[in-house]
Amino acid sequence: EIVMTQSPATLSVSPGERATLSCRASQSVSSTLAWYQQKPGQAPRLLIYGASTRATGVPARFSGSGSGTEFTLTISSLQSEDFAVYYCQLYNHWPPPFGPGTKVEIK
Amino acid sequence: EVQLVESGGVVVQRGESLRLSCAASGFSFHDYAMHWVRQAPGKGLEWVSLISWDGGATFYADSVKGRFTISRDNSKNSLYLQMNTLRDEDTAFYYCAKDAKYSGHSDYFDYWGQGTLVTVSS
Repeated sequence: EIVMTQSPATLSVSPGERATLSCRASQSVSSTLAWYQQKPGQAPRLLIYGASTRATGVPARFSGSGSGTEFTLTISSLQSEDFAVYYCQLYNHWPPPFGPGTKVEIK
Repeated sequence: EVQLVESGGVVVQRGESLRLSCAASGFSFHDYAMHWVRQAPGKGLEWVSLISWDGGATFYADSVKGRFTISRDNSKNSLYLQMNTLRDEDTAFYYCAKDAKYSGHSDYFDYWGQGTLVTVSS
C-alpha cells in the first residue's frame, strides 16, 4: 500500500507571496495525483488532477508539477481566499490514499 | 450546476446502524461512479467506498469492509451508505463525492457534497 506524506504540515505565508507545498509517495507512481483545497467548514474542492492539470474554474496562480515520488503544488501569489488546508491524493492506486494535508496560514 | 446533498448523519450508540443518503443533481448521475469519503473532526480525508455507475461493482476500505454497504438508485439519482456495527472510530463527516471519469472510475473526485456528521457515542 502506498503512503502519501506532505510537507510542511503548516506553512506561514504573507499575502502576495509564493507558496510551495510538497507531496511525496512512498514508491514511484504515475502522474495520477490530485490536489484539493479545503476551507474551514467546507467540503474539499478539486484543484489539480493528472499532477499538473487545473480543474475547471481554478485560477492560474495554482500550478502542479512533479513525477515519480515527488509532487509540488505552487500558489504563485497568495490571495486571502487561498488560506486553507491542501491535500494531495493518489488515484489509480488501491485504495486511493490521501496525504495528511498542509495548512497554509497567514503570516 | 452539480449538487450533492448528504443526509442522515446523527448521534448513534456504538454497535448501532445508520443509513446515509446523497441526493445528486445537475449531471447524468447514472453515468458516473460515486464515492463516500470521510473526515474525522479536525483530521484528514479517508476514502471509504466506491460504487460503479451501474451499481455492479463496489469497493471498500479495509476499515469498513464487512460493516458498510454502498448502494445507489439511478432512478432516484441517489447514493446510499448503510453503516452497521458502528464504532467510535467511525465518527466523522461523511462526504458523497462524484468520480471525475465518465462511464468508468478514475478514483479522484471533481464534486463533493457538504458532508453529514456521524457521531458514534459510547
